[in-house]
Amino acid sequence: DIQMTQSPSSLCASVGDRVTITCRASQSITSYLNWYQQKPGKAPKLLIYAASSLQSGVPSRFSGSGSGTDFTLTISSLQPEDFATYYCQQSYNTPYSFGQGTKLEIK
Amino acid sequence: QLQLQESGPGLVKPSETLSLTCTVSGGSISSSSYYWGWIRQPPGKGLEWIGYIYYSGSTYYNPSLKSRVTISVDTSKNQFSLKLSSVTAADTAVYYCASYYYYGTHFGYWGQGILVTVSS
Repeated sequence: DIQMTQSPSSLCASVGDRVTITCRASQSITSYLNWYQQKPGKAPKLLIYAASSLQSGVPSRFSGSGSGTDFTLTISSLQPEDFATYYCQQSYNTPYSFGQGTKLEIK
Repeated sequence: QLQLQESGPGLVKPSETLSLTCTVSGGSISSSSYYWGWIRQPPGKGLEWIGYIYYSGSTYYNPSLKSRVTISVDTSKNQFSLKLSSVTAADTAVYYCASYYYYGTHFGYWGQGILVTVSS
């Protein structure tokens, strides 16, 4: 099974900051990497698919990059609504697996 | 756009079978573009993929749960279902149904989730 490891597990930042979250896979997953945002009490929401493709309707301040085993999610200028938990997920093969999450909190 | 809605009991006794249904609207469950999946999240923890099904009935399960999981589809009702047998407190979680877009390889649409508590 492929293990997904995110860092950091939590992050404090301010509105307007540039933030980067990292996700590492235990083996190469080429570009089969998705990012989701989850707010308390809500279902996850797809932000980025195939490592760098922005889901329709998602603000352009979100971007993704990487391939192979190392990936990043970047938020270029944090907005108040961006404070949430972020998960990466590999769809290279089953069983699909998620990172443990990165909780983004207001400084 | 697709909408998914989970339904089922919120409380299940230990050793019994958890049964949930997901109703799909805004599109056909017989679409060749989607798999229909279940994902769960224990309180305060991360996400775990349980498995998914294609409209033809082909299933793929997480090996960690495979011996206890059955996912089925009812195309006439535009629904798919999850059964998890021999539940314990460790199966307490929010259960989400979600569509997996085959060509984009991602979970694009999710239900709101349903909390299932395993307790006597």
